[in-house]
Amino acid sequence: NAGVTQTPKFRVLKTGQSMTLLCAQDMNHEYMYWYRQDPGMGLRLIHYSVGEGTTAKGEVPDGYNVSRLKKQNFLLGLESAAPSQTSVYFCASSYWSSGAQETQYFGPGTRLLVL
Amino acid sequence: QKEVEQDPGPLSVPEGAIVSLNCTYSNSAFQYFMWYRQYSRKGPELLMYTYSSGNKEDGRFTAQVDKSSKYISLFIRDSQPSDSATYLCAMSGFVNRGSTLGRLYFGRGTQLTVWP
Repeated sequence: NAGVTQTPKFRVLKTGQSMTLLCAQDMNHEYMYWYRQDPGMGLRLIHYSVGEGTTAKGEVPDGYNVSRLKKQNFLLGLESAAPSQTSVYFCASSYWSSGAQETQYFGPGTRLLVL
Repeated sequence: QKEVEQDPGPLSVPEGAIVSLNCTYSNSAFQYFMWYRQYSRKGPELLMYTYSSGNKEDGRFTAQVDKSSKYISLFIRDSQPSDSATYLCAMSGFVNRGSTLGRLYFGRGTQLTVWP
């Protein structure tokens, strides 16, 4: 199993450009998450999905959109990139069991630099 | 006030020391408590998982949960340079399947360096 994979690993954008980050998992997990991690800020939840076709906003959703058309994929879109979106983006997935969300498995991260 | 508070450190200790990492939280509904370890330029990975109050031991690692004080701890015995990483606490409450409440609340992480 590949686990959680993220594409691309690194990207440089100019302000105003758009891009899509792709997350894929092969563990048949129901829940998928997008986080951003900035120095001193820890992991902050952007958007998440509790199942195919269902998404919800996290702590910092502004400037991002997501889609979960297939259970194994979760896309994060930046319509008009801003320098404040320079960050490391992590995708994670997990499954539900007996009222509890089990372990979240994280991808390797995507480093995004917006100039 | 954030749901989960964690001192970011940094924490620097000599090899062999006992390390204590802590988090406090405000939501009494949290029942599941986790510690993740994140090496530099890598994604976090689960280190310890506990349910409700009590202790859990795994090798050199011990996780403690005190729900009455809303306080969790991770102890590392005989620390090694390979333990140098950022440690993040995380927690969640009971949720129904498919509920949008099904998310983890993370602390900011504590950066630990163990020097030889």
